[in-house]
Amino acid sequence: DAGITQSPRYKITETGRQVTLMCHQTWSHSYMFWYRQDLGHGLRLIYYSAAADITDKGEVPDGYVVSRSKTENFPLTLESATRSQTSVYFCASSESTAGDEGFFGQGTRLTVV
Amino acid sequence: KQEVTQIPAALSVPEGENLVLNCSFTDSAIYNLQWFRQDPGKGLTSLLLIQSSQREQTSGRLNASLDKSSGRSTLYIAASQPGDSATYLCAVPAAGNKLTFGGGTRVLVKP
Repeated sequence: DAGITQSPRYKITETGRQVTLMCHQTWSHSYMFWYRQDLGHGLRLIYYSAAADITDKGEVPDGYVVSRSKTENFPLTLESATRSQTSVYFCASSESTAGDEGFFGQGTRLTVV
Repeated sequence: KQEVTQIPAALSVPEGENLVLNCSFTDSAIYNLQWFRQDPGKGLTSLLLIQSSQREQTSGRLNASLDKSSGRSTLYIAASQPGDSATYLCAVPAAGNKLTFGGGTRVLVKP
């Protein structure tokens, strides 16, 4: 199916474990993004990527690692999960033209216990 | 740093009434402004993208206006229906198409 897909949709993990959230898009968009959504904070940018092998930090990058070896994939890894990383995570993509429309995945609800 | 604010945070209206949702931003040097809808437990669905050169953008019962000089956008939803109940978010892109979001307005349309 065309679009942007995230997996898993739901994940429960224990404090200290490593967990990877997957994001795949079929449009060959240049830009990809990871946001987290929390009550009281709204949506905040964690990391973004302008192209394969080019990534940069967003507003709240601590505790997260990203990679982008292929244009279509942008996994987000929590190296050692903490309870404060319990959140809903959204992946998004857009074309490279300035101000191009952003498209979002359905989200991954992560609970760290 | 761009800041985006949406007031009110929540809104409840009877079915049939028009909805007016407000979004304000601090830096008027924007490419465009995007309105999203989010249903509970779901992702974000893009509703309208209004370019910085536009004053209005319309899609069906939805109309978004943009006033860059005053740092405001308004989303109007005509003749609201219970199916319009959702959270509405506005967002503006920075360099690299990174979006800064408002906190959202949670809308409830009562039958």
